[in-house]
Amino acid sequence: DAGVTQSPTHLIKTRGQQVTLRCSPKSGHDTVSWYQQALGQGPQFIFQYYEEEERQRGNFPDRFSGHQFPNYSSELNVNALLLGDSALYLCASSLLRQGVFHEQYFGPGTRLTVT
Amino acid sequence: GIQVEQSPPDLILQEGANSTLRCNFSDSVNNLQWFHQNPWGQLINLFYIPSGTKQNGRLSATTVATERYSLLYISSSQTTDSGVYFCAGGETSYDKVIFGPGTSLSVIP
Repeated sequence: DAGVTQSPTHLIKTRGQQVTLRCSPKSGHDTVSWYQQALGQGPQFIFQYYEEEERQRGNFPDRFSGHQFPNYSSELNVNALLLGDSALYLCASSLLRQGVFHEQYFGPGTRLTVT
Repeated sequence: GIQVEQSPPDLILQEGANSTLRCNFSDSVNNLQWFHQNPWGQLINLFYIPSGTKQNGRLSATTVATERYSLLYISSSQTTDSGVYFCAGGETSYDKVIFGPGTSLSVIP
């Protein structure tokens, strides 16, 4: 049973560039959430996707956007990168069945460095 | 809004010792989880525990929903238990999950 996978593992970008991170959910899961974790802090919720729509969003600017595909995989896009966007980006998947919450499982993360 | 607090922020243990980590959460939190983040950044599910008590090996957790707190117990700690322990919760199925600030645990031989 494959867990949550993310790609790439590491990424180095220059300020002002754009980046796309990818996530494949755990088998059987239909919901994907993205988090940003700065060094020494807890993960901060970016947004959540279910049925290919953004359902919830945290306090992140519009430079952060996402997409969910019919196979439930997801992408996180960040435009006009800032130095402060350097962080570990975590993807979590869960199953939303009949409105009942199921626990989230996290991928290994993508470490983004903006120079 | 949702608030999640954890204590202590840092903990150093001798191998073999026991410890208790605490998580306080606001009224609106229903779906509480405990995670362990290892030194490589991987978040590992420990417990999904909106209420009651669960045990898994040397770890156990208790959530008293009516008093808005959860406790994570680690017994006979090992060096591999080192890392950061997070509790996290959300309001509903769709709601964003909010993480506490974490407890950084170091187990020394």
